[in-house]
Amino acid sequence: AQKITQTQPGMFVQEKEAVTLDCTYDTSDPSYGLFWYKQPSSGEMIFLIYQGSYDQQNATEGRYSLNFQKARKSANLVISASQLGDSAMYFCAMREPYHTGNQFYFGTGTSLTVIP
Amino acid sequence: EAQVTQNPRYLITVTGKKLTVTCSQNMNHEYMSWYRQDPGLGLRQIYYSMNVEVTDKGDVPEGYKVSRKEKRNFPLILESPSPNQTSLYFCASSLAGADYGYTFGSGTRLTVV
Repeated sequence: AQKITQTQPGMFVQEKEAVTLDCTYDTSDPSYGLFWYKQPSSGEMIFLIYQGSYDQQNATEGRYSLNFQKARKSANLVISASQLGDSAMYFCAMREPYHTGNQFYFGTGTSLTVIP
Repeated sequence: EAQVTQNPRYLITVTGKKLTVTCSQNMNHEYMSWYRQDPGLGLRQIYYSMNVEVTDKGDVPEGYKVSRKEKRNFPLILESPSPNQTSLYFCASSLAGADYGYTFGSGTRLTVV
């Protein structure tokens, strides 16, 4: 079974609108971390946001927030007020410390295009 | 500045000519890993290392070697590169534990002709 599933290969959003990128995960570890990374066309991988499995509140970092629904095992990224510079590939990732010795798992990514 | 330094950024080589991609981190991270990224396949792990002299295979280790003789360095070796190893490669490092994400190197775009 896939550990991380991103079902949206490509998304479009109008500039200044909000967009949600979906991510679901699969783990039996009680403690895990969820991460989102951005990869612009230049290729580098940029860390955006982190959510711990025991965190009660949804993580926020500026215009990024993580909609964490633990029972549904979902960790969607919400980008508010989209900007042209948000056009990029976005990867969801999970880290399991116990059962798999700190392994990371990545989804296949969502390509976001912001339309002026 | 805390970083993962990966070299070279771009490399074109011929089939069968051994090459090494270097990776060094200055954050005293225990965990280091190599990934390759291909269109539509996301990031696939090649090898990882939990500490000095401890390495293990990831999902796609065939055709690659690694070593971890020092904590800061984790080179990726292609003994006999083939065209199907043409890809974008990333080195990444982190502290151990669920709370810690990766710091990535800037990537190496390798073309094998």
